[in-house]
Amino acid sequence: EAGVAQSPRYKIIEKRQSVAFWCNPISGHATLYWYQQILGQGPKLLIQFQNNGVVDDSQLPKDRFSAERLKGVDSTLKIQPAKLEDSAVYLCASSLVGTAGHVNEQYFGPGTRLTVT
Amino acid sequence: GQQVMQIPQYQHVQEGEDFTTYCNSSTTLSNIQWYKQRPGGHPVFLIQLVKSGEVKKQKRLTFQFGEAKKNSSLHITATQTTDVGTYFCAGPNTGFQKLVFGTGTRLLVSP
Repeated sequence: EAGVAQSPRYKIIEKRQSVAFWCNPISGHATLYWYQQILGQGPKLLIQFQNNGVVDDSQLPKDRFSAERLKGVDSTLKIQPAKLEDSAVYLCASSLVGTAGHVNEQYFGPGTRLTVT
Repeated sequence: GQQVMQIPQYQHVQEGEDFTTYCNSSTTLSNIQWYKQRPGGHPVFLIQLVKSGEVKKQKRLTFQFGEAKKNSSLHITATQTTDVGTYFCAGPNTGFQKLVFGTGTRLLVSP
């Protein structure tokens, strides 16, 4: 079974530039997550999709971050314009749909390491 | 909001020594998950605990869910260099279908 795919693996941009990340989840996983992981910290959820609908985006800085999952499979996360503090690893994860109060195990992709200079 | 704290933040042991990390949630959890992240890698699911007081073992790893379902622990017996990494616990956010990750415990094992 193929895992979660992400690209690119690394990206270096200057502040105020824009960047986009792509994620392809495990086949059959309706739930897709984007996390931001700053060095030395745990993953922080940015946005969660179920199929092509947003379940939670309460921690997404909507003035500069956007995400979409148009056909309920692949997803893209965009940052425009980037700030220095956006330097982090952006992880995509997917899972089967959970029930109320129960979250299924999540499978993570390799992540994209973003450096903003 | 819900907070999940882990202690210690960091531990350095000699190979063969035991290791324990503790996870504490500010709210009662319906279940708890544990993940391992190797240096430079991504989190990998280890296990999920659901029942109050539940204990599960995976070879040298023992996971426990507290009676009040607000805390959990991971114990590694006789650590090996392959155990190096950061261990995260994660619990569902109250009322939502999302996980809140703990602060993590970084384990370093010297041969």
